[in-house]
Amino acid sequence: GAGVSQSPSNKVTEKGKDVELRCDPISGHTALYWYRQSLGQGLEFLIYFQGNSAPDKSGLPSDRFSAERTGGSVSTLTIQRTQQEDSAVYLCASSRDSNSPLHFGNGTRLTVT
Amino acid sequence: QKEVEQNSGPLSVPEGAIASLNCTYSDRGSQSFFWYRQYSGKSPELIMFIYSNGDKEDGRFTAQLNKASQYVSLLIRDSQPSDSATYLCAVNRGGSNYKLTFGKGTLLTVNP
Repeated sequence: GAGVSQSPSNKVTEKGKDVELRCDPISGHTALYWYRQSLGQGLEFLIYFQGNSAPDKSGLPSDRFSAERTGGSVSTLTIQRTQQEDSAVYLCASSRDSNSPLHFGNGTRLTVT
Repeated sequence: QKEVEQNSGPLSVPEGAIASLNCTYSDRGSQSFFWYRQYSGKSPELIMFIYSNGDKEDGRFTAQLNKASQYVSLLIRDSQPSDSATYLCAVNRGGSNYKLTFGKGTLLTVNP
């Protein structure tokens, strides 16, 4: 079956522009996670969605970052007024529930010039 | 103090040898521990998880957990060149996958 799908796979944007990253989780998975992986750094938790519950946004680094999940399925991560330090690989993962293994997508490599 | 620490490597072992990867964590309340493998340019994939002290074996992989010493390790027996990847240790305060804290990873190279 299809895995977690992320788009675009690569995004180059100018400093100050807004970007939207998309994640299509595995069908039937209720939990969805966004992580960020910067060069030489570990994965950094950003946000977590579980079913219809309020998302845990505690990992978002600033108010320029927001995410939503429509209909309990597709999620978009929006970064407003991008900065060079936002350059990283943004990974989405989903799981059947919060106790099941995470399945990661291939990520979106964001480069802010 | 970093929350989850791993030796960045690279760790180089010959084919057929045992590769030993180590991870220490600072939060004594951590309950669940995971090892992910990440090939260059690819997404992480889960290879082992462990919740209780002791050893857990799965094929060529053995995870070892010592909560008193706050370390978790991964042993790979009969290492193969295809095992060459970065291995990420992740821990969680709760008993689930929710909000994992990852180490920076150890790069393993298995030489044929």
